[in-house]
Amino acid sequence: AQTVTQSQPEMSVQEAETVTLSCTYDTSESDYYLFWYKQPPSRQMILVIRQEAYKQQNATENRFSVNFQKAAKSFSLKISDSQLGDAAMYFCAYRSPRGETSGSRLTFGEGTQLTVNP
Amino acid sequence: DTAVSQTPKYLVTQMGNDKSIKCEQNLGHDTMYWYKQDSKKFLKIMFSYNNKELIINETVPNRFSPKSPDKAHLNLHINSLELGDSAVYFCASSHWAYEQYFGPGTRLTVT
Repeated sequence: AQTVTQSQPEMSVQEAETVTLSCTYDTSESDYYLFWYKQPPSRQMILVIRQEAYKQQNATENRFSVNFQKAAKSFSLKISDSQLGDAAMYFCAYRSPRGETSGSRLTFGEGTQLTVNP
Repeated sequence: DTAVSQTPKYLVTQMGNDKSIKCEQNLGHDTMYWYKQDSKKFLKIMFSYNNKELIINETVPNRFSPKSPDKAHLNLHINSLELGDSAVYFCASSHWAYEQYFGPGTRLTVT
């Protein structure tokens, strides 16, 4: 079974600075998908960024980018120019490829609570 | 124009009662899910339906029963509620292999 680990329960960053959230995972599959979701105090789960394992290029969405190291099974999220609105719980998630018997479930890490200081 | 909606958003009930949470998506997706988020914010899959067919059924008590009347709806019925059922329940949907979109969550409190 796949597992996802986020070793940083809490992180803080100054507004306008850069912060990196860590995520590692364990899988025997070669093709899969990785995601970062954000959960602000409103508790809505918001997709931040997605990475396909077969793509070597790291995904980027505006101020959010990932460092995907497939061999190391590492998937970190970098937030540049942090804003107060970035304060939230961030979850790393793993999903098997289409057609697998595990279905398309997301396996989540424990989450990292990010605080942005003004 | 809400993509994934859940009702109710808050549910307070007593032990032993039976309750339902409804979920609807207007994204045209073919796969829907129920996740449970516990008091430590840990999220775990409970059920998944693809085209009204149950494809994921995690180890949850059989007091929990999902029902999918059509591709756009996935309801969760819970019998004989227990204190440990208190959590936030999220519905989500996706087009099979693609990213999942979540509803706003239903906070269930069992007293």
